[in-house]
Amino acid sequence: GESVGLHLPTLSVQEGDNSIINCAYSNSASDYFIWYKQESGKGPQFIIDIRSNMDKRQGQRVTVLLNKTVKHLSLQIAATQPGDSAVYFCAERGYSTLTFGKGTMLLVSP
Amino acid sequence: DAGVIQSPRHEVTEMGQEVTLRCKPISGHDYLFWYRQTMMRGLELLIYFNNNVPIDDSGMPEDRFSAKMPNASFSTLKIQPSEPRDSAVYFCASSPGVSSYEQYFGPGTRLTVT
Repeated sequence: GESVGLHLPTLSVQEGDNSIINCAYSNSASDYFIWYKQESGKGPQFIIDIRSNMDKRQGQRVTVLLNKTVKHLSLQIAATQPGDSAVYFCAERGYSTLTFGKGTMLLVSP
Repeated sequence: DAGVIQSPRHEVTEMGQEVTLRCKPISGHDYLFWYRQTMMRGLELLIYFNNNVPIDDSGMPEDRFSAKMPNASFSTLKIQPSEPRDSAVYFCASSPGVSSYEQYFGPGTRLTVT
């Protein structure tokens, strides 16, 4: 797979724990914020999005929180599983394009 | 649905050679994006097309890079001449016109220039 994680912040958790991945964004004018998951050797995959006028959105086992005051985005994964091990990117949408953060590697131990 | 298709998956070439990367987007998607991913710079947008028309190529590193989209089902990214610093994973992504924040990525092409 791709060696994109050698210099990335890493979060190590045990299977069954809850995980929280954080992201700071820069553009106050962004209208959507999105989380992507990238497994080794694959392209990024859309997980969940949140519109800028919301502060929380829930999906299946995932919750995204948006704090516009401090320009902070977080992804919470409940009952983390080994299959959740991947690099997670936050992205913000400007006009038709996405700007991706550097990513966080999540390692889940059985 | 086959998803976004990219070829080749791996490319090893010598400095100075021409490299062509290929992409077939998901049928019906109006937007196509080319990205480059490296450890140092992360995921960078190079260029994107809307309805086969290049909209923003400000991310293309230099004149050695060019991209085309001759029809709705095919796009190429060409590097001529290639240099070792071009070594990276190149992703193509496509999205429906309405919700362009949900992009569907291909598996990528790992390019190594020696």
